[in-house]
Amino acid sequence: EAQVTQNPRYLITVTGKKLTVTCSQNMNHEYMSWYRQDPGLGLRQIYYSMNVEVTDKGDVPEGYKVSRKEKRNFPLILESPSPNQTSLYFCASSQPWGTTTGVGTDTQYFGPGTRLTVL
Amino acid sequence: TQLLEQSPQFLSIQEGENLTVYCNSSSVFSSLQWYRQEPGEGPVLLVTVVTGGEVKKLKRLTFQFGDARKDSSLHITAAQPGDTGLYLCAGAGTTDSWGKLQFGAGTQVVVTP
Repeated sequence: EAQVTQNPRYLITVTGKKLTVTCSQNMNHEYMSWYRQDPGLGLRQIYYSMNVEVTDKGDVPEGYKVSRKEKRNFPLILESPSPNQTSLYFCASSQPWGTTTGVGTDTQYFGPGTRLTVL
Repeated sequence: TQLLEQSPQFLSIQEGENLTVYCNSSSVFSSLQWYRQEPGEGPVLLVTVVTGGEVKKLKRLTFQFGDARKDSSLHITAAQPGDTGLYLCAGAGTTDSWGKLQFGAGTQVVVTP
């Protein structure tokens, strides 16, 4: 089954304790992305990756790191989490961005989400 | 500041009524996507519009992309309780952010029987 998986689904942690949220896709997609969703703000893009070893900042990258060492995985790293990073996080993947019928036309498949609480 | 403004933020209607959700921006997008999100799940793509003035229909849902590719609308005819959800628009491919996908804040639609 084609899917995007995230782990953990729920996490409660304390300020300053490093954590990693994993994301994996089995569709051989080149494009992957991380979003956070907060009430009234919709989804905001944190980082995205066009391909292995190619990553770029989204709209809210501060406090986050990512790596793309292999095509299927795109972990999100919070080196020193703070309470303002409490949020619902989504990972997504898609076919090579803009190589079919134009930029941004490829379907993004979202993972089930990770609810993070930083105390 | 939200690049894409959605309105209304919340919409509650009775089954059988029609509704329209708007997505507006001052930026030009190469494409615009509409998603629906159910509680506890990730967004699911409904449609992508690419050409200015384009109209796409998906059963009772009609999507329109503005001529200038800055705005879009989603119209639902004869809404059903199964249409309840958070509707999100997302724009891609602005001139300075080729790889970014920017979402509106969403419109929560509730359809009561």
